[in-house]
Amino acid sequence: AQTVTQSQPEMSVQEAETVTLSCTYDTSESDYYLFWYKQPPSRQMILVIRQEAYKQQNATENRFSVNFQKAAKSFSLKISDSQLGDAAMYFCAYRSILNQFYFGTGTSLTVIP
Amino acid sequence: KAGVTQTPRYLIKTRGQQVTLSCSPISGHRSVSWYQQTPGQGLQFLFEYFSETQRNKGNFPGRFSGRQFSNSRSEMNVSTLELGDSALYLCASSYSPPGGFRDGYTFGSGTRLTVV
Repeated sequence: AQTVTQSQPEMSVQEAETVTLSCTYDTSESDYYLFWYKQPPSRQMILVIRQEAYKQQNATENRFSVNFQKAAKSFSLKISDSQLGDAAMYFCAYRSILNQFYFGTGTSLTVIP
Repeated sequence: KAGVTQTPRYLIKTRGQQVTLSCSPISGHRSVSWYQQTPGQGLQFLFEYFSETQRNKGNFPGRFSGRQFSNSRSEMNVSTLELGDSALYLCASSYSPPGGFRDGYTFGSGTRLTVV
């Protein structure tokens, strides 16, 4: 079975600075999708960004970008120009070709004014 | 378009009782999945329904069951509640045609269940 590991339970960043959240995964599949979700205190999980495994180009969504290293099975999220509203729990997720999702344990991000 | 709607938002039940949670997916989404979220265990997959059929199931006891209706709305039932069932239960829907899996989930706001 696939596993997703987020090794940083907590991270903090100064407002306007850049922070990178780490995620690694284990799989034997060649085709899959990776996602980062954000869960603010309001508790609704929000899709931040997705990456298709067959695409070498790293996905970007405004201030959010990923560093996808397929061979290393690494999928980190970079948040640039951090804002107070970025404070949340961030989950890395893997979606297999069998439509199964696997989530990491999450990284709690604090943004310091 | 309307998001994923979960009802109720909060629920307090007594040990031994049973509870039913409801989830209405985004219009057009046929896949509905349920997760249990606790501080210690993170997100634990319960089950997924697609076109009224359970397509995937997590490692939970038989006290946890679900179903999906023809309009894709889903319900989750937990019988003989235990204190350890206290958690945030999240429902997520996705557009999941055969062979298509590029879509992520759209989550609801969850139902906070407290068992006393």
